[in-house]
Amino acid sequence: QVQLQESGPGLVKPSGTLSLICAVSGGSISSDNWWSWVRQPPGKGLEWIGEIHHTGSTNYNPSLRSPVTILLDKSNNQFSLEVSSVTAADTAMYYCANSKGSGSCLDHWGRGILVTVSS
Amino acid sequence: SYVLTQPPSVSVAPGETARITCGGDDIGTKSVHWYQQKAGQAPVLVIYYDSDRPSGIPERFSGSNSGNTATLTISRVEAGDEADYYCQVWERTSNHNYVFGTGTTVTVL
Repeated sequence: QVQLQESGPGLVKPSGTLSLICAVSGGSISSDNWWSWVRQPPGKGLEWIGEIHHTGSTNYNPSLRSPVTILLDKSNNQFSLEVSSVTAADTAMYYCANSKGSGSCLDHWGRGILVTVSS
Repeated sequence: SYVLTQPPSVSVAPGETARITCGGDDIGTKSVHWYQQKAGQAPVLVIYYDSDRPSGIPERFSGSNSGNTATLTISRVEAGDEADYYCQVWERTSNHNYVFGTGTTVTVL
């Protein structure tokens, strides 16, 4: 069974860049899966950020205000998220997850990591 | 963009049936997935493609989808079912987009 684990700084300054990594175990990131990031502001609902396929193809939520980049690191079996020019509105629990197809259900989720944007 | 509307809360006594609705324009033409999120934990998939159950999810969880409403039904509710529940669809427009519902808190009385 695929397991996912998020890591990265828990505190980012306003206007800075939020960078997170999702380590994948129990499966290969080069398999025919899509790898997603989802976030949840404190006390609020879930918001999908974007996804990447092992071919490098990406899809992003068109409603996001901050620029977002998702990248693959096949040598380390992980993928990453970068959100630039962050504001307090980017404070959230960030989860990584996977799906067997773009637009399919999100089968497995990491435990999540809380990122706070504050000076 | 596509909007999914859920009731903010549903209260149910142990042993009874909880029904959580997810409203969206012509949602019956889309595939709906449901997630359970217990306090302080990550979401867990409980129903996929309208009515299928992942392995390990009790048969008490079932789903349906027709017209403008999808429904998650929890039969013989237990205290351990207390959680937030989210529906989700994929909006196939010019941009691929996973859309989540507003979420429903299920309280077991």
